[in-house]
Amino acid sequence: AQSVAQPEDQVNVAEGNPLTVKCTYSVSGNPYLFWYVQYPNRGLQFLLKYITGDNLVKGSYGFEAEFNKSQTSFHLKKPSALVSDSALYFCAVRDPGNTPLVFGKGTRLSVIA
Amino acid sequence: NAGVTQTPKFQVLKTGQSMTLQCAQDMNHNSMYWYRQDPGMGLRLIYYSASEGTTDKGEVPNGYNVSRLNKREFSLRLESAAPSQTSVYFCASSDEPGLPWEQYFGPGTRLTVT
Repeated sequence: AQSVAQPEDQVNVAEGNPLTVKCTYSVSGNPYLFWYVQYPNRGLQFLLKYITGDNLVKGSYGFEAEFNKSQTSFHLKKPSALVSDSALYFCAVRDPGNTPLVFGKGTRLSVIA
Repeated sequence: NAGVTQTPKFQVLKTGQSMTLQCAQDMNHNSMYWYRQDPGMGLRLIYYSASEGTTDKGEVPNGYNVSRLNKREFSLRLESAAPSQTSVYFCASSDEPGLPWEQYFGPGTRLTVT
């Protein structure tokens, strides 16, 4: 069965500094990986996904993520954090079959001015 | 283009009462999903419908029923609400099955069961 772990409940970063939100996964076969963001009192919004190809995936709002097969990781990154990036971030994984997406527990990112 | 809409936005129920959460999407998506979000638990899948006329259980289906009324609408019913069902409920849709398309989420329904 597929699973995903987000080892940090909370990440704090100063505005202008680079940020990383970690995600590791377990799946049979090649994974499909996603990042979503949730702002307060809103539904989740899609940021980016990895299906195949280039290990570095670029997404919305300047975010990117790097797929690392040997470490089974898909960390979310941004070179320069903004206060407006403060939100709850979810990593999700599914296997190549038609199984539903499995979400991590989420990481709260706080960007401090 | 409204995307995914959910009604109601808020609801308070007494233990044992029933209610139906409504969800509709206008993107002509095949697949629809119901999740619940609880603090520290992330999103957990309750039921999903891969296409009109089909429904399948997710991770936490007990205490819930669903109906895929047509391609646009997917409702979630609580027959006898329990305090453990206090949560925020999200409906989502995607263009799957097939390629792994992203899911589009509604704004959520905040349900409290007393």
